[in-house]
Amino acid sequence: KAGVTQTPRYLIKTRGQQVTLSCSPISGHRSVSWYQQTPGQGLQFLFEYFSETQRNKGNFPGRFSGRQFSNSRSEMNVSTLELGDSALYLCASSLSGTRDEKLFFGSGTQLSVL
Amino acid sequence: AQTVTQSQPEMSVQEAETVTLSCTYDTSESDYYLFWYKQPPSRQMILVIRQEAYKQQNATENRFSVNFQKAAKSFSLKISDSQLGDAAMYFCAYRSNDMRFGAGTRLTVKP
Repeated sequence: KAGVTQTPRYLIKTRGQQVTLSCSPISGHRSVSWYQQTPGQGLQFLFEYFSETQRNKGNFPGRFSGRQFSNSRSEMNVSTLELGDSALYLCASSLSGTRDEKLFFGSGTQLSVL
Repeated sequence: AQTVTQSQPEMSVQEAETVTLSCTYDTSESDYYLFWYKQPPSRQMILVIRQEAYKQQNATENRFSVNFQKAAKSFSLKISDSQLGDAAMYFCAYRSNDMRFGAGTRLTVKP
């Protein structure tokens, strides 16, 4: 079974641009969650999707958005990029997103904003 | 708000020895889960062990075990017979509605 796939692995953007990151969950998994990892703030929860609906959202500005498609693949978008958005963005999937479930993580997308 | 604190930024252990990583958390909820995740240089987070708050028995997974003290809101990870492959960042995490992570502990294993 293929694992969680995140594309691209690396991305370089400039301030003011927008970016879209993609996450393909494990086959059969319907819950996808996103996390931002930075040296200063650590790992922070962005949002979670289940069956195309956003179920939970972290404390991030509206520039951060996401969506989930009918095949459970998810995308997250960051508009008007700022230098502070430079981070590793991790995606995780699970069967139904219940609190006891093991999360399966991708290898992340490293975003650098210049 | 729920917070997770890992007070040890770095830890070191000799191969085959035992090491304990500390984690405390703060919550007013009674139903939650606790996890330890490992992040090797490949960056892919891997679940090490999980604990349900309602279960008093400490979870064990092979060489990994936890010491869960609910009243003290403490959730430490013990790694026995440490191996070189255990070297990684270890994150303690709390989950109720969403997942909250600690800042991580970088574990070095010396041969």
